[in-house]
Amino acid sequence: KAGVTQTPRYLIKTRGQQVTLSCSPISGHRSVSWYQQTPGQGLQFLFEYFSETQRNKGNFPGRFSGRQFSNSRSEMNVSTLELGDSALYLCASSFGTGVQETQYFGPGTRLLVL
Amino acid sequence: GQSLEQPSEVTAVEGAIVQINCTYQTSGFYGLSWYQQHDGGAPTFLSYNALDGLEETGRFSSFLSRSDSYGYLLLQELQMKDSASYFCAGAKYGGATNKLIFGTGTLLAVQP
Repeated sequence: KAGVTQTPRYLIKTRGQQVTLSCSPISGHRSVSWYQQTPGQGLQFLFEYFSETQRNKGNFPGRFSGRQFSNSRSEMNVSTLELGDSALYLCASSFGTGVQETQYFGPGTRLLVL
Repeated sequence: GQSLEQPSEVTAVEGAIVQINCTYQTSGFYGLSWYQQHDGGAPTFLSYNALDGLEETGRFSSFLSRSDSYGYLLLQELQMKDSASYFCAGAKYGGATNKLIFGTGTLLAVQP
């Protein structure tokens, strides 16, 4: 099976712009979670989608949003970018949403905000 | 708040055994997972402890004590390729589903 894919891999934006990142989960996986990784804050949970519904949300401002399509692909959007949004954005997929489910991570999108 | 604390860096030599600790300050964790992340790579799953005790998977073992809010990852017969960051992650019920809360991460440097 192909792994989790994320596009684009690298992105440079300027403050105030908006950005959309894409994640394609492993075939058959219905849960997609998004994380932000920065050197100072580590890996922080953004949100989780399952069957096109947001099931969980982390402590991020409303500028961060996401959605999931019927084929389980997911997108996340960040509006009005700030310098502090520079980070590696990781998505992870799993078959279900149980605590025992292994999450499979994609390679990430590295976003630089200038 | 919810936090999982790990040592920031650990150094060991090839062939040795190293233990990476994880202590947490929250309740409601169903279990503890461990992930490995090489520099520039994606985190990959290593182990999951649903119950207290020791889980062994090859050279890696993981331990959980929920009464002590403590867990650790034990790496034996260290190899150079084990140099990476290691994260513990607590599985917490979040309403309709569950989410992972990651620890601060430990950078392991294996020296020859």
